[in-house]
Amino acid sequence: AQTVTQSQPEMSVQEAETVTLSCTYDTSESDYYLFWYKQPPSRQMILVIRQEAYKQQNATENRFSVNFQKAAKSFSLKISDSQLGDAAMYFCAYRAGTYKYIFGTGTRLKVLA
Amino acid sequence: GAVVSQHPSRVICKSGTSVKIECRSLDFQATTMFWYRQFPKQSLMLMATSNEGSKATYEQGVEKDKFLINHASLTLSTLTVTSAHPEDSSFYICSARDIEGWETQYFGPGTRLLVL
Repeated sequence: AQTVTQSQPEMSVQEAETVTLSCTYDTSESDYYLFWYKQPPSRQMILVIRQEAYKQQNATENRFSVNFQKAAKSFSLKISDSQLGDAAMYFCAYRAGTYKYIFGTGTRLKVLA
Repeated sequence: GAVVSQHPSRVICKSGTSVKIECRSLDFQATTMFWYRQFPKQSLMLMATSNEGSKATYEQGVEKDKFLINHASLTLSTLTVTSAHPEDSSFYICSARDIEGWETQYFGPGTRLLVL
């Protein structure tokens, strides 16, 4: 069975600094997708970044980038130049052929002014 | 970007009543929608996958007679919590898969259900 693990329940970062959130997953599939979603206090899930497993190049979206290590089954999120608005719960998600997402337990990110 | 709405955003009901939650994809067609439940400070737990024109597929441990799902059109899925009890109080979130776009689920804003 596929599983997604986020080992950091909570992280803090100083404003303008960089922080990395960890995510590991377990699967026997070779073709899948990985996502990072942000859930602010409003509880609206917002897509941050996505990665196709067959692509070796790491995805980037402005201040957000991932370090995708397929062999190690690792998918970490790096947030550069952290802003107060980045404070939220961050969920890592895995999706294979059934279109169902499997979510990790989440990491709460605090941004310190 | 793709927008998914949910209605109502919050509902309070008495124990024993039924509550219907609507999930709509506003600017795209969704053959597949998903219903999640989220307890406070926890992750999203998939309850069921809703396919347009066919029966929903429920995850293990989710009572299909308790949580009725109907996906009558390409833009609307409904979740009805039947004979609600206090333990059904939770945050319910739907998502929709855009058949035209990338393999991404777009999430609704969620519905907070409180059963008294």
